[in-house]
Amino acid sequence: DAGVTQSPTHLIKTRGQQVTLRCSPKSGHDTVSWYQQALGQGPQFIFQYYEEEERQRGNFPDRFSGHQFPNYSSELNVNALLLGDSALYLCASSFRVGTEAFFGQGTRLTVV
Amino acid sequence: AQTVTQSQPEMSVQEAETVTLSCTYDTSESNYYLFWYKQPPSRQMILVIRQEAYKQQNATENRFSVNFQKAAKSFSLKISDSQLGDTAMYFCALPPEQGGSEKLVFGKGTKLTVNP
Repeated sequence: DAGVTQSPTHLIKTRGQQVTLRCSPKSGHDTVSWYQQALGQGPQFIFQYYEEEERQRGNFPDRFSGHQFPNYSSELNVNALLLGDSALYLCASSFRVGTEAFFGQGTRLTVV
Repeated sequence: AQTVTQSQPEMSVQEAETVTLSCTYDTSESNYYLFWYKQPPSRQMILVIRQEAYKQQNATENRFSVNFQKAAKSFSLKISDSQLGDTAMYFCALPPEQGGSEKLVFGKGTKLTVNP
C-alpha cells in the first residue's frame, strides 16, 4: 500500500501564475482533505472532497479550488498566486467521515 | 470557534529520558476526539495517539501516553524513553464542532529535539 501520495514534492511559481497540486488517496479511502501549512504554523483546513463534491470549506478565498475524480484522487488549484500562498500543502485521505485521516508528504510551494 | 493552544514552541530532551508536551483546547462539544500528530523533517504528518473524550482512561500507545483532563480542557503528551527518531514537530489537534475527524484544527506545534 503506497499510502497517500502527492505530486510534485516541490514547486516554484511566479506571483500571478496558477498552480495545480495532485493527491492520490490511500487505497480504500474515498474522502480527501487539503491543508495549507505556513512555515512555523500548524496546518489550516482548506476544503474536503467526497463523492466528487466539495463538502466542507475553510476560510480560504475562491482562488483556491479543487476537484475530485471518480477514482477518488484530487487536485488543488490556486489561481493568481500571491507571495503569501507559499506554504506546504498537505493532502489527507480517509474512509468516509469520522475516521482516521492519513496524510501525504506534502507539496512545498514557493511563490516568487 | 474551537481553539487549540500549544504553549511550548520548542523543547529538548536527552535520549532515554521522559518529556511532556502540553496542549489546551476549547470546544463546546461534549463528545469529541483529540489527536497528537508527529511531523518529522520528512514532512509527513503521522498520527501518534488518539483520545476519545468520553473515555475516562488515558490513551497509551507503546512509549506514548496522554494525560487527558476534560474539565480543564488539557491534553498533554508524554513520551517515555525518548529516542532520536522522536525528533519532530508535534501537533495537538481536534475536529471542529460538528465536523468529521479528518477536518482538523491544529495547534501551532512544539518542536521536540532529542539529544544523544
